[in-house]
Formats: sequence, C-alpha cells, structure tokens
Amino acid sequence: DAGVTQSPTHLIKTRGQQVTLRCSPKSGHDTVSWYQQALGQGPQFIFQYYEEEERQRGNFPDRFSGHQFPNYSSELNVNALLLGDSALYLCASSWGQGGTEAFFGQGTRLTVV
Amino acid sequence: GQNIDQPTEMTATEGAIVQINCTYQTSGFNGLFWYQQHAGEAPTFLSYNVLDGLEEKGRFSSFLSRSKGYSYLLLKELQMKDSASYLCAPGGYNKLIFGAGTRLAVHP
Repeated sequence: DAGVTQSPTHLIKTRGQQVTLRCSPKSGHDTVSWYQQALGQGPQFIFQYYEEEERQRGNFPDRFSGHQFPNYSSELNVNALLLGDSALYLCASSWGQGGTEAFFGQGTRLTVV
Repeated sequence: GQNIDQPTEMTATEGAIVQINCTYQTSGFNGLFWYQQHAGEAPTFLSYNVLDGLEEKGRFSSFLSRSKGYSYLLLKELQMKDSASYLCAPGGYNKLIFGAGTRLAVHP
C-alpha cells in the first residue's frame, strides 16, 4: 500500500504565476482534503473533495481551486501566486466524508519568490 | 467562530509523563483527533475521541469532555523520538480544524 502520495515534493514559483499540485489517495479512500501549513502553524483547511465535487471549503480565496478525478486522485490549483502562498501543502485522504482517520501525504513545499 | 487553544511549547524528561491540554470552540463537532508531526514530515494519526472519557492506546492516551470543550493527550514513558509537534483537531463532518500545535521537546 503506497499510502497518500503527493507531487512534486518541492516547487519554486514566481509571484503571479499559477501552480498545480497533485495527490493520490491511500488505496480504498474516496475523499481528499487539502490543507495549507505555514511555518510554525497548524494545517489550515482549504477544501474537501468527495464524489468529484467540492463538499466544503475553508476561508481561502477563489484563487485556490481544485478537482477530483474518477480514480479519486485530486489536484490543487493556485492562480496569481502571492508571496504569502509560500507554505507546505498537505493532502489528506479518508473514507467517507467525516469521522474517520485521515492519512496525510508528505506534502509539497511551495516557495513563491 | 472556531478557536483552538494549546500550549505553544512544553519540555519533559525522558521516561517521564506529560499531558498536553487542548480547549476548543467549534461548530459542527463530531469528535476530536490528535496528530503527531515531526519537523518536516506529515502529520500522523494518534487518536480519535467521539465520546467523553479516556481512550488508551499503548503509551498514549487521550481524554475528551464534550461539555467542557476540553481534551488532553497523555504521553507516558517518554522517549527521545516523542519530540515533535502535537496537533489537536476538532473534527466536523467534512473537515479537521487544527490548532497551532504544541512543540514537545524531550530531554535525556
């Protein structure tokens, strides 16, 4: 079992650019959530995808968007990057929409310069 | 609104016991998760409390009082590898809300 895999592991982008991050959930999981973790802070919920639809969203602007594919994998897109978007982006997968253990990937470290 | 309060840092001695407290105010509460996160790594699941009371799992135990909005994580027989951040996360139906975490340093 490969667990939750994310790609790429590290990424450097220029302010104003767009970025796409990818996540493959743990085998048997159908729900993917995305989190942003700034240095020294806890992860902040961005949104959750289940059955290829965004089910709930945290307090993030529309520049943050996502997608879930039929195989349950997911993408996080961020447009018009700001310096403040520099963070560790974590993907977590689970079965069903709530009340079950979420498994996290190793994350993508995004640096905006 | 949603508010989660944990101590920022704690230190303890190898072999000792430490209790990390968490108070929370959230909407749509289903249960409370505790995660461990080593520096530069992903959070890993430690425990999940739905009902009030103590859940014991090896060296780690977690307690929940829903009426008081209070939880704690108890770590026994501390080891050096327990040095990490511990994240309290009240869980709603669709998401986890994390606190800033407690950085625990275990010394010999």
